[in-house]
Amino acid sequence: GAGVSQSPSNKVTEKGKDVELRCDPISGHTALYWYRQRLGQGLEFLIYFQGNSAPDKSGLPSDRFSAERTGESVSTLTIQRTQQEDSAVYLCASSLQGDSYEQYFGPGTRLTVT
Amino acid sequence: GQQLNQSPQSMFIQEGEDVSMNCTSSSIFNTWLWYKQDPGEGPVLLIALYKAGELTSNGRLTAQFGITRKDSFLNISASIPSDVGIYFCAGRVAGNNRKLIWGLGTSLAVNP
Repeated sequence: GAGVSQSPSNKVTEKGKDVELRCDPISGHTALYWYRQRLGQGLEFLIYFQGNSAPDKSGLPSDRFSAERTGESVSTLTIQRTQQEDSAVYLCASSLQGDSYEQYFGPGTRLTVT
Repeated sequence: GQQLNQSPQSMFIQEGEDVSMNCTSSSIFNTWLWYKQDPGEGPVLLIALYKAGELTSNGRLTAQFGITRKDSFLNISASIPSDVGIYFCAGRVAGNNRKLIWGLGTSLAVNP
């Protein structure tokens, strides 16, 4: 398909384990965004990539969270030593350019930390 | 930090009724976007607005970029059951970085 894809769709992990969430943006989109959405809440910005660089990491909630992007394509969001408060849906979005106004979202990864 | 006030927080209406929701900002925006999120899905872009006063329609949906550049509204006419979902506004502060500021959403329920 031509849309943003994310994997896994669901992830259940034990407290203290590390998890990796993957995002495949729309081909040709140079900008990529990660958001967190807690149950019944709005979108919380985490990090933004332009190409493979992350000029804005201001939303990462702690140093347990990190993200990288390679080949101006796939991005991985890593959460180390997961905590129960990390449970949420993690959404990825991409846009044609960093200053392009329209972001297109993937279906999200639902993370549950037990 | 920047915040958007989106209202109402939730709505429960009868099929066929019109719906109106809005977002306001304390800052001047140069872009307003309206998204809809279905359960278990990511948000889907409905309408994008780029100019103050702009009025744009997408089927039964109409959105306007307020002339003060600090607000926007979304109207849905003749609602149908598939309009159920959460509607989010998002905007970009004029002269600021590329980060979108998001409202907290309006949850819409339609009684058939």
